[in-house]
Amino acid sequence: EAQVTQNPRYLITVTGKKLTVTCSQNMNHEYMSWYRQDPGLGLRQIYYSMNVEVTDKGDVPEGYKVSRKEKRNFPLILESPSPNQTSLYFCASRDRGYSPLHFGNGTRLTVT
Amino acid sequence: DQQVKQNSPSLSVQEGRISILNCDYTNSMFDYFLWYKKYPAEGPTFLISISSIKDKNEDGRFTVFLNKSAKHLSLHIVPSQPGDSAVYFCAASARTGRRALTFGSGTRLQVQP
Repeated sequence: EAQVTQNPRYLITVTGKKLTVTCSQNMNHEYMSWYRQDPGLGLRQIYYSMNVEVTDKGDVPEGYKVSRKEKRNFPLILESPSPNQTSLYFCASRDRGYSPLHFGNGTRLTVT
Repeated sequence: DQQVKQNSPSLSVQEGRISILNCDYTNSMFDYFLWYKKYPAEGPTFLISISSIKDKNEDGRFTVFLNKSAKHLSLHIVPSQPGDSAVYFCAASARTGRRALTFGSGTRLQVQP
């Protein structure tokens, strides 16, 4: 089954404790991206990757890092999480050109 | 400044009637528009899209209309079914290298049996 898999689904952590949210896709997509969803703001892009070893900032990159060492994986790293990063996070991937994004089921992160 | 706006946070319709969800945008560089549906505890799923060279696209019960002069698009669901109850996001992308999707804030649709 074609899918984007994120882990964990739920995560509660404390300020400053580094964490990684994993994302993997099995559709051989070159493009992958991370979004966060906040009430009243819709989904906002954090980082994206056009291909292996090619990553770039989205609209809200502050406080996040990503890496793309393999085509299928695109982890999101929070080196020093803060409470304003409490949010619902989605990983997504798509094929080239005018193709819709396929989303994972989300990771709900709470930073206390 | 939100470039994609969904001004109705919620909408309630009766089963069998038409649901009309609206979306406005401000960026004239947007050339591809999509609607996503989202159920609780799941990621958004793609519903239907339209290119700026068209003004209408239809897929079964779902039709998207694009009015470029008004920078407005709408999603029509006919007939509405209880299973359509979800949050609907409008999204747009511009003809730039990043082709990121810019999302609206969503409209929660409730279809009453």
